[in-house]
Amino acid sequence: EVQLVESGGGLVQPGGSLRLSCAASGFTFSNYWMSWVRQAPGKGLEWVANIKEDGSEKYYVDSVKGRFTISRDNAKNSLYLQMNGLRAGDTAVYYCARGRWLQYFYYFDYWGQGTLVTVSS
Amino acid sequence: EIVLTQSPGTLSLSPGERATLSCRASQSVSSSYLAWYQQKPGQAPRLLIYGASSRATGIPDRFSGSGSGTDFTLTISRLEPEDFAVYYCQQYGSSVLFGGGTKVEIK
Repeated sequence: EVQLVESGGGLVQPGGSLRLSCAASGFTFSNYWMSWVRQAPGKGLEWVANIKEDGSEKYYVDSVKGRFTISRDNAKNSLYLQMNGLRAGDTAVYYCARGRWLQYFYYFDYWGQGTLVTVSS
Repeated sequence: EIVLTQSPGTLSLSPGERATLSCRASQSVSSSYLAWYQQKPGQAPRLLIYGASSRATGIPDRFSGSGSGTDFTLTISRLEPEDFAVYYCQQYGSSVLFGGGTKVEIK
């Protein structure tokens, strides 16, 4: 059974940093692209970042470029999101999701339960 | 940049009724490049449809997807009590993009 379990969320002041983790199990982690998707309270879904199987390619939504870094450790079956320079607008539930490719179409077939990040003074 | 517009914002229906949800892209997308997700309160999204019309593993056949170009539809043939939720469409072009969602609520 595919499982994705996020951790590391919490309350942080504006300008602060946080590192999210996602522990994956039930599949060969190193064979899949992985992603972070967030959802602000009461709002819709917003894609944050993608990372290739071997970590050689990374992509970000414009609003987090230069502040967030996605990474992975295939030996530990873990995905990470280092978030620096946090802003109130980054407040959201952050989901870890497994990515799939259909030709040139990227989508998400499994999601974790999410971890809440609150940026507030 | 492509914008995905979902309509209606809210759909009020009774169990057993048919639900038709729309997702419109501001520019034409490949006929296969669309997915649909279901999200219930307090839960993570769940993949329903990918490639515009392929059901994900374990998804009941009352859920179906169709469309191409700029207009896509998710149809729930007969609403079950567990189907009342928010539904999102998702497209991939230069990046991942989600629609704003349609809430299907009990009438």
